[in-house]
Amino acid sequence: GQNIDQPTEMTATEGAIVQINCTYQTSGFNGLFWYQQHAGEAPTFLSYNVLDGLEEKGRFSSFLSRSKGYSYLLLKELQMKDSASYLCAVRDSDYKLSFGAGTTVTVRA
Amino acid sequence: DADVTQTPRNRITKTGKRIMLECSQTKGHDRMYWYRQDPGLGLRLIYYSFDVKDINKGEISDGYSVSRQAQAKFSLSLESAIPNQTALYFCATSDLRSDQETQYFGPGTRLLVL
Repeated sequence: GQNIDQPTEMTATEGAIVQINCTYQTSGFNGLFWYQQHAGEAPTFLSYNVLDGLEEKGRFSSFLSRSKGYSYLLLKELQMKDSASYLCAVRDSDYKLSFGAGTTVTVRA
Repeated sequence: DADVTQTPRNRITKTGKRIMLECSQTKGHDRMYWYRQDPGLGLRLIYYSFDVKDINKGEISDGYSVSRQAQAKFSLSLESAIPNQTALYFCATSDLRSDQETQYFGPGTRLLVL
């Protein structure tokens, strides 16, 4: 099984940078995903890491260290529309996803 | 049109009633999943299916059953609903032929069991 930990809440100012950490313990690692979820809506895919290092996609970047069981999602140039929950999910060798409880990010003007 | 659809979007039912939640997809994906989401607990896997003849239990399958009627359809049933099954339910799909095999989620069904 998987144990996935991420902070419950974070607050940041518009235009700033926020880093959401995710640590995991896994019995079989086959990739790590980050999803964004606005209140009452479906999770939408943000990023995927399977090898160590940084993946950059516009204002969003995601980092993975498999040896440390650690990932982070970096949100740059924060906008009000980035206020949402961010879900860290680890895929196991059977291609099942286990999700963390999510980090609610609030962006203030 | 949405690639993954769920019906109904909202449902109120009473304890002991049988209900079915339906999921359809036009993405042509082989793999389909049912999750529930509760505040503070994140998404938890109920059942998953890797093709029409394949059904597997997830983390929390007790009290639920599923049917994969076709590649594009995957239904979740609550045989006798109970109040602690009140939750937001999501269907998801993935394509085993893709490198990342990202899961794509439907809009969700909000279920209230009284």
